[in-house]
Amino acid sequence: AQSVAQPEDQVNVAEGNPLTVKCTYSVSGNPYLFWYVQYPNRGLQFLLKYITGDNLVKGSYGFEAEFNKSQTSFHLKKPSALVSDSALYFCAVRDGGSSASKIIFGSGTRLSIRP
Amino acid sequence: GAVVSQHPSRVICKSGTSVKIECRSLDFQATTMFWYRQFPKQSLMLMATSNEGSKATYEQGVEKDKFLINHASLTLSTLTVTSAHPEDSSFYICSARPTMGPYEQYFGPGTRLTVT
Repeated sequence: AQSVAQPEDQVNVAEGNPLTVKCTYSVSGNPYLFWYVQYPNRGLQFLLKYITGDNLVKGSYGFEAEFNKSQTSFHLKKPSALVSDSALYFCAVRDGGSSASKIIFGSGTRLSIRP
Repeated sequence: GAVVSQHPSRVICKSGTSVKIECRSLDFQATTMFWYRQFPKQSLMLMATSNEGSKATYEQGVEKDKFLINHASLTLSTLTVTSAHPEDSSFYICSARPTMGPYEQYFGPGTRLTVT
């Protein structure tokens, strides 16, 4: 079984400050990890993914995430937040050990950037 | 990049009627497609997985006779909500996994269903 947890319902950050959105996961095989962003009444936009290789993954809009196997975490980060980053962020995991596995989503974290 | 479309983007139907939502992969073939449901301010919950040419696999608690899924071609999957009730009102999002390349899963823009 696979699962993903986002412990924070909401994260508030001032514009220009660094931001972190937390994510931890559990899979039986190799983890494929993803971050998506959703704006109101819109579908999901892909930000970045970790499949293998370098633990630090760089994605769209200046976001990055660090895969930490020992802590089973994949936190999303950005060095300097923008007001336009305010949205709902989902961490997702897929069990790479099975070709039939599905992407499972976390509960989401609402990111609010104040001017 | 790979694009997944959904039609319609919004639909309002009366209680007791059926509504069909289409999901298309526009520039790639998708052996596997997924249907998710999202309630307001909640996460996406996987409803079912469909493979081209075979029956869909439903997640626990999802009524297969109510949510009919057809994946008749490598670029099209449909979700039909039968005998819709107000509690079926939700945001439905489909996703397609390319036949070539096992890692990616591309998401459609979603369909807002309102049952009155």
